[in-house]
Amino acid sequence: DAKTTQPPSMDCAEGRAANLPCNHSTISGNEYVYWYRQIHSQGPQYIIHGLKNNETNEMASLIITEDRKSSTLILPHATLRDTAVYYCIAPAPMDSSYKLIFGSGTRLLVRP
Amino acid sequence: SAVISQKPSRDICQRGTSLTIQCQVDSQVTMMFWYRQQPGQSLTLIATANQGSEATYESGFVIDKFPISRPNLTFSTLTVSNMSPEDSSIYLCSVEDQRMAFGQGTRLTVV
Repeated sequence: DAKTTQPPSMDCAEGRAANLPCNHSTISGNEYVYWYRQIHSQGPQYIIHGLKNNETNEMASLIITEDRKSSTLILPHATLRDTAVYYCIAPAPMDSSYKLIFGSGTRLLVRP
Repeated sequence: SAVISQKPSRDICQRGTSLTIQCQVDSQVTMMFWYRQQPGQSLTLIATANQGSEATYESGFVIDKFPISRPNLTFSTLTVSNMSPEDSSIYLCSVEDQRMAFGQGTRLTVV
């Protein structure tokens, strides 16, 4: 797995965009970037993933730099329910699958 | 995505005993994963369980302490053996179903 580096904590105001950065400078060409979050006392929840193109779904947008050494998860209009720990993971392929190795993540606090 | 049920959701156990945690998936999956989350910490992968073969354990985890069964494509168990208070954690299973899905976890307290 490529090592990922995230700030330990961030905060943003409710209704504003939350931009969560992640550095993955050792990522290889076939490794995707995945984002998960864990709301207190729940199992991790998938948010989004991408390889090299920017991606958007109903939850978030993922911006990956052209050199793929970093990415940013964007929650366009953060709500109080988005308070969680966010994990950026670049899993290495494993046979026909892959495994997720979690780092420390970023603890996001959305303020009223 | 796959729906995962874990049992029990929580338990309080005496030291020296063992607890078996069950993970049931509503669809057939090839790979199942078991994680541990110690209080205030991130998730740590314990092992990968592929149906029909021995589980593959991560560094620091051994089969004698965490035996795993994978009898079919929808079910797996993790046993925490000879428990000590240091085993107090949340244990989660996950499966690959287009993307990784996680159960809600089993909160274990060892006293």
